[in-house]
Amino acid sequence: KAGVTQTPRYLIKTRGQQVTLSCSPISGHRSVSWYQQTPGQGLQFLFEYFSETQRNKGNFPGRFSGRQFSNSRSEMNVSTLELGDSALYLCASGPSGREEETQYFGPGTRLLVL
Amino acid sequence: AQSVSQHNHHVILSEAASLELGCNYSYGGTVNLFWYVQYPGQHLQLLLKYFSGDPLVKGIKGFEAEFIKSKFSFNLRKPSVQWSDTAEYFCAVSLMGAGNMLTFGGGTRLMVKP
Repeated sequence: KAGVTQTPRYLIKTRGQQVTLSCSPISGHRSVSWYQQTPGQGLQFLFEYFSETQRNKGNFPGRFSGRQFSNSRSEMNVSTLELGDSALYLCASGPSGREEETQYFGPGTRLLVL
Repeated sequence: AQSVSQHNHHVILSEAASLELGCNYSYGGTVNLFWYVQYPGQHLQLLLKYFSGDPLVKGIKGFEAEFIKSKFSFNLRKPSVQWSDTAEYFCAVSLMGAGNMLTFGGGTRLMVKP
């Protein structure tokens, strides 16, 4: 089975722009979560989606948004980019969104904001 | 606010040495506990997890962790490390009943000298 895939892998944007990142979960998985990883703040939870519904949201400003499609693929969008948004954005998928299931992480999208 | 602390940021060991990485959490309710590992150039992957039952949990590659509720701790151990254990290790916690929202510790970089 193919793992979690994230596109693009690398991205350079300038302040004020917006960006959309994509995550394709493992085939058959219905739960997708997003995390931001930075050297200063570590790994921080952004959102969790299950069956196209946002189940949880982390403590991020409204510039960060996401959605999940009927095929379980997910996108996250960051509008009005700031320098501090430079980070590795990780996506994780799980089979049916139950807590005891293992979540599988993708390779991440590395975003650099100039 | 919930938080997870990993006491050691960097650990250097020789092969065959024993390993113990500390993890303490601050949560008001019943928790689920995880250790993830990130090998150089690879994705985050689950080492082991605790949901209920025996507080001594065994994971992959000879790792184990013990949940001590009274100490709010979930320390990771391995009796004899190998060079291939060189990686970054993350402790994570989720609140039972709150979905897959993980709060991560800051990580511990382990270097094993051959």
